[in-house]
Amino acid sequence: GNSVTQMEGPVTLSEEAFLTINCTYTATGYPSLFWYVQYPGEGLQLLLKATKADDKGSNKGFEATYRKETTSFHLEKGSVQVSDSAVYFCALSKGRGSQGNLIFGKGTKLSVKP
Amino acid sequence: NAGVMQNPRHLVRRRGQEARLRCSPMKGHSHVYWYRQLPEEGLKFMVYLQKENIIDESGMPKERFSAEFPKEGPSILRIQQVVRGDSAAYFCASSPSRDSLSYEQYFGPGTRLTVT
Repeated sequence: GNSVTQMEGPVTLSEEAFLTINCTYTATGYPSLFWYVQYPGEGLQLLLKATKADDKGSNKGFEATYRKETTSFHLEKGSVQVSDSAVYFCALSKGRGSQGNLIFGKGTKLSVKP
Repeated sequence: NAGVMQNPRHLVRRRGQEARLRCSPMKGHSHVYWYRQLPEEGLKFMVYLQKENIIDESGMPKERFSAEFPKEGPSILRIQQVVRGDSAAYFCASSPSRDSLSYEQYFGPGTRLTVT
């Protein structure tokens, strides 16, 4: 079946450090891939997405590239800030309509220290 | 354009009571999804609805849980005879119609259910 595996946290970094959160997936066909961010006490916000192989999603300094050959969608940021502290979820969707439900990884908690 | 709205934000129920969670999708969105987030875990899909139709309920527990999305009004997730294991955050998401080019989902702030 379809699944998402992401690196376990928590991840603790100093401000301005480089961030990588690994995400790999298992799916038939060509899923769309997403990163969502959840700040404490809030719902999920879409951070970035990619809908086909080799697409790069980017937003707020975060990037992730859809790698079909390695079935990966790793999240990166060159210089993290304290305000980036949150839980990050990798997710996939098989498509629209009845296949559109998202399958999430377990989440990676990021703490950035000043 | 208001985002996805959920209420209540926090709900406390005693074992055996009923819980009703409401979700109003974003304007123009006709697809609603419900997810459950247990402590320290990711979100798990529960049910997908369009107006007056349940499209996919493969993630719903077989008993005590039901969902609807009437022609008028919000989507409702109903949990009868709640047990402690139902304590979780329940998130609703909405997306545009099937014909839209964009099918990403927009999440509400969630309802945190505590069963005592």
